Amino acid sequence: AQTVTQSQPEMSVQEAETVTLSCTYDTSESNYYLFWYKQPPSRQMILVIRQEAYKQQNATENRFSVNFQKAAKSFSLKISDSQLGDTAMYFCAFLGRFGAGTRLTVKP
Amino acid sequence: EAQVTQNPRYLITVTGKKLTVTCSQNMNHEYMSWYRQDPGLGLRQIYYSMNVEVTDKGDVPEGYKVSRKEKRNFPLILESPSPNQTSLYFCASSLTGVTPGANVLTFGAGSRLTVL
Repeated sequence: AQTVTQSQPEMSVQEAETVTLSCTYDTSESNYYLFWYKQPPSRQMILVIRQEAYKQQNATENRFSVNFQKAAKSFSLKISDSQLGDTAMYFCAFLGRFGAGTRLTVKP
Repeated sequence: EAQVTQNPRYLITVTGKKLTVTCSQNMNHEYMSWYRQDPGLGLRQIYYSMNVEVTDKGDVPEGYKVSRKEKRNFPLILESPSPNQTSLYFCASSLTGVTPGANVLTFGAGSRLTVL
C-alpha cells in the first residue's frame, strides 16, 4: 500500500532564512507524481510544487524547490528566503494520499 | 472562475441526524474526491470517483456514502452521524490522465462539521 510520512510535526524559521521539510513515501509504482500543498490559516489548499518521478531534474517554483531521491523514496521541500506569508501547514501527497503535515512558522 | 464549491461551510448537528455536504465543480473534471482533515492525521481520503457512476472507497469510508450521478456534483452523505465524524471536510477534483495521480487537485474551501 502507498504511504506518505512527514516526520516533522512543527518547524520554525527566521524570515529570509532557508528551511527544508521532509517527506518519505512508499510505493511499488514505477512512474508517479509527487506534490507539496500548502494550507495557510485560511484553510484553503494550494499547490506549491509537483514532481514527476521519471524526471531526474528536481522541480523548482521560484523560492520553492524539491530534493527528490527516488531510490530512497524521499521528497523534501526547500523554501528559500522564507517570508511571513509562508507560515502554513505543508502537506506532501501522492496518488491521492497525504502525509500528516508539517506546521511551519516563519518568525520576523 | 474555475472552482470547487462546497456547502455548507459550517454545520453543527446532533448524533443520528442525516446530513449531506454538497460539492460541485465547474471545470469539467472527471475525478472527484472527499477528504477529512484531523489534527495530526493530515488529510485522509473517504471516497473518490474516477467518473460519472464510478465511485470507490478511500482509506476511511465507514459511516459515509457518496454518489456521482452528474459529472459536476459529488455529494457526501452521512446517514447517521456520530461524534467521531466531527472533522474538517474537503472536496477536491482534477482531470484524469494516463498516469494515475498525475494531475493537480483543486480543493473546495472546506466544510467544518461538528456532531454533538
